[in-house]
Amino acid sequence: GESVGLHLPTLSVQEGDNSIINCAYSNSASDYFIWYKQESGKGPQFIIDIRSNMDKRQGQRVTVLLNKTVKHLSLQIAATQPGDSAVYFCAENQGGSEKLVFGKGTKLTVNP
Amino acid sequence: SQTIHQWPATLVQPVGSPLSLECTVEGTSNPNLYWYRQAAGRGLQLLFYSIGIGQISSEVPQNLSASRPQDRQFILSSKKLLLSDSGFYLCAWKALTGINTEAFFGQGTRLTVV
Repeated sequence: GESVGLHLPTLSVQEGDNSIINCAYSNSASDYFIWYKQESGKGPQFIIDIRSNMDKRQGQRVTVLLNKTVKHLSLQIAATQPGDSAVYFCAENQGGSEKLVFGKGTKLTVNP
Repeated sequence: SQTIHQWPATLVQPVGSPLSLECTVEGTSNPNLYWYRQAAGRGLQLLFYSIGIGQISSEVPQNLSASRPQDRQFILSSKKLLLSDSGFYLCAWKALTGINTEAFFGQGTRLTVV
C-alpha cells in the first residue's frame, strides 16, 4: 500500500482564498517530495518539488513546506482560482531506490 | 523535447481475456519507467518500475506483469483479466541521472473489465 497519506480527502475554498493541502509521509529515508495536480480523466501534472535538505520552496502562487521532524508536507496555493480545482497528490521518492510512492489525494473544489 | 505516449485511451475487455497496454517515451535515453493503477477514490498505486531493459521490479503481487523489451518501451500485460483489474492505468518516466527529479505521466488508459 501507499506509505504517503493525506489528512483530508476533500477541501472546499472560496475563489481568492488561500488553500492549504497537507500530507504525512512515513518513510524517514525519503529525500525528495513532489506535488502533482490531476484533473479529471488526465494524468498527473507536476506542480512543485522539494528536496529533504530544504524546508520551504516557492513557485508561482504555490509554496511547499517540509517538516522532517514530524514527517509532514504541505502545499499552499495563494489566491485560489476555479482552474485550481483538481485532485492534488503528494509523492515521495524513497531514498536509495527509484520508487516514487503516491498518497491518496485531496480533491480541491474552488467555489466562485 | 520529451514526450510519453500511452495507448489505448480507453479499453473494455471481458473477464478472462488477455491485456496489453503499451507506453513509449521519446526524446530521452535510459529513462526510469513506471506503471501505476488508480482506482476510484484512491491514490496512484505503484505496480511496476524499471531502471533498464529487461529489469522489472514488481511492487504488488497481482494478475499483471510488465516487460521492457526496448529502452523506451514499457508494456503492461495480463494473461487473464479479472473484474478487479478495472481502473485507470498510468505510465510515467523520469530521468535516470542519480539526481532526484520529477516523473512525467502519460494521459492514462481507462480499463473496464466486464
